[in-house]
Amino acid sequence: EADIYQTPRYLVIGTGKKITLECSQTMGHDKMYWYQQDPGMELHLIHYSYGVNSTEKGDLSSESTVSRIRTEHFPLTLESARPSHTSQYLCASGDRGVLAFFGQGTRLTVV
Amino acid sequence: QKEVEQNSGPLSVPEGAIASLNCTYSDRGSQSFFWYRQYSGKSPELIMSIYSNGDKEDGRFTAQLNKASQYVSLLIRDSQPSDSATYLCAVQNTDKLIFGTGTRLQVFP
Repeated sequence: EADIYQTPRYLVIGTGKKITLECSQTMGHDKMYWYQQDPGMELHLIHYSYGVNSTEKGDLSSESTVSRIRTEHFPLTLESARPSHTSQYLCASGDRGVLAFFGQGTRLTVV
Repeated sequence: QKEVEQNSGPLSVPEGAIASLNCTYSDRGSQSFFWYRQYSGKSPELIMSIYSNGDKEDGRFTAQLNKASQYVSLLIRDSQPSDSATYLCAVQNTDKLIFGTGTRLQVFP
């Protein structure tokens, strides 16, 4: 079983609030990813990192930001949450050859 | 054109049959290919990876890769109702891992 953790699992928050979704892995993986997935819909890559101090935007335009100060930690921040941000956010990590292990996800609802 | 394409299904097969799931990709530079299974409301879980042309077998699962045709497939032998899920094809090029929309598989008793 993969050791990748996301917190919180569920979050309901008001419009305009700043939020940070946490993702940590204990496998020493260099690569980490954030995906957004609406119910029954496809996964969209919003951010990825291939190591400390490297981050890239994915294919889906997102108002979120990420940081990678430590190998094991890859938090995602929304400066001002909006109802359009309501979705499930999935964090994943991987290394060369075997990609990727997913966390259990954070289901975000912005009211 | 999407980078990774799958038929959304549903693909319905009877218990005990072979389920065949297909995926095409657009980037010829893609290096690694993965199949994930996602149950409703759960995170995807990796079931197969394949890196070179040909077949790779793992239990009831066989992944097939044809880089010339830019085609990946997954065969599930002796399908069980517990195999009912959405199957996601993912393609890696350098550091990006891109997923298809997934094919929903229904195995009926």
